[in-house]
Amino acid sequence: KAGVTQTPRYLIKTRGQQVTLSCSPISGHRSVSWYQQTPGQGLQFLFEYFSETQRNKGNFPGRFSGRQFSNSRSEMNVSTLELGDSALYLCASSLDRAPREQYFGPGTRLTVT
Amino acid sequence: GEDVEQSLFLSVREGDSSVINCTYTDSSSTYLYWYKQEPGAGLQLLTYIFSNMDMKQDQRLTVLLNKKDKHLSLRIADTQTGDSAIYFCAETSNDYKLSFGAGTTVTVRA
Repeated sequence: KAGVTQTPRYLIKTRGQQVTLSCSPISGHRSVSWYQQTPGQGLQFLFEYFSETQRNKGNFPGRFSGRQFSNSRSEMNVSTLELGDSALYLCASSLDRAPREQYFGPGTRLTVT
Repeated sequence: GEDVEQSLFLSVREGDSSVINCTYTDSSSTYLYWYKQEPGAGLQLLTYIFSNMDMKQDQRLTVLLNKKDKHLSLRIADTQTGDSAIYFCAETSNDYKLSFGAGTTVTVRA
């Protein structure tokens, strides 16, 4: 069974632009969560989607948004990019909302210049 | 989830056992996890333990949980060079989100 896939793997954007990242969960998994990883703040929870609905949100500004499609694929969007948004964005999928096994993708490395 | 703390570095000789420690503050934690991250990669789920368990063993990995002290440890037996990585402790409670520690960088020396 294929793992969690994320596209693109690397991205370079300029301050003020917006970006969309994509995540395809493991087949059959219905919950998708997003995390931001930076050297300074470590791993921080962004949001979780289940059945196309946002179920939980971390402490990030409204510039960070996401959605989930009927096939469980998810996208996250960051508008008006800032230098501090440079990070590794990780997506995790799990079978359902039970807090057991969450499997991570390889991440998207976003660099904002 | 609340604060999760772990030591930042561990150096171990190849063939020895490694022990990585973690403490957490959220008494409502339901599951506790260990993830491994190699350079340029995502997080690999190594193992997890339910909060009503004391110990879980999976091949070379042994997880010990002291719920009273909110202390979690991961023991890697017969540590190999391929075990060099950053290890993250994480916990989740009823909100399903993972709260991570800062990660322990494990260096295996020959």
